Amino acid sequence: AQSVAQPEDQVNVAEGNPLTVKCTYSVSGNPYLFWYVQYPNRGLQFLLKYITGDNLVKGSYGFEAEFNKSQTSFHLKKPSALVSDSALYFCAVGSQTGANNLFFGTGTRLTVIP
Amino acid sequence: KAGVTQTPRYLIKTRGQQVTLSCSPISGHRSVSWYQQTPGQGLQFLFEYFSETQRNKGNFPGRFSGRQFSNSRSEMNVSTLELGDSALYLCASSSTGTAPQIYGYTFGSGTRLTVV
Repeated sequence: AQSVAQPEDQVNVAEGNPLTVKCTYSVSGNPYLFWYVQYPNRGLQFLLKYITGDNLVKGSYGFEAEFNKSQTSFHLKKPSALVSDSALYFCAVGSQTGANNLFFGTGTRLTVIP
Repeated sequence: KAGVTQTPRYLIKTRGQQVTLSCSPISGHRSVSWYQQTPGQGLQFLFEYFSETQRNKGNFPGRFSGRQFSNSRSEMNVSTLELGDSALYLCASSSTGTAPQIYGYTFGSGTRLTVV
């Protein structure tokens, strides 16, 4: 069975500080990992994905994520947080051997404090 | 290029009624998926369509149904609405019909359904 865990419902960080939003996954076969961001009253916007290759993935708006197979993690990071980064972040996983839909975590609300 | 369009944006219905939500995917996208988003459960997969065929279905009761038309537009229907069906319903489309879960989906802004 496939699943995603985002252990923190809420993350607060000061503007200018580095931020990390955590994600761990469970999947059969090779994982395909995604981060999406949701702003109020909007749908999900794609940030980045890992399919294969380099474990460090760079995405939109200065975000990056590191795939760690041994820890089954795919944490989202940014070196310097902006107030405009405040939003709801979702990690998702797909599997080549499973169904063709994505499985999402419950989301982490990031608040960047000015 | 237009994104994924969902209509209506907001909807208020009474318990026991039925509702139909519409989704127009990005032009050329033939895979369309639906998700239910609630504060406690996050995003739950409802179903996925490709070329007018339902390929995959999540763990929802039979009151939830969907269909896809020849132009790839999709509708989902919820009959006999319950208070617990209040949620944001998101539609997503993918450019590939083969393993779309590998390449990712583009999401619409959703339809917020409130059942009173």
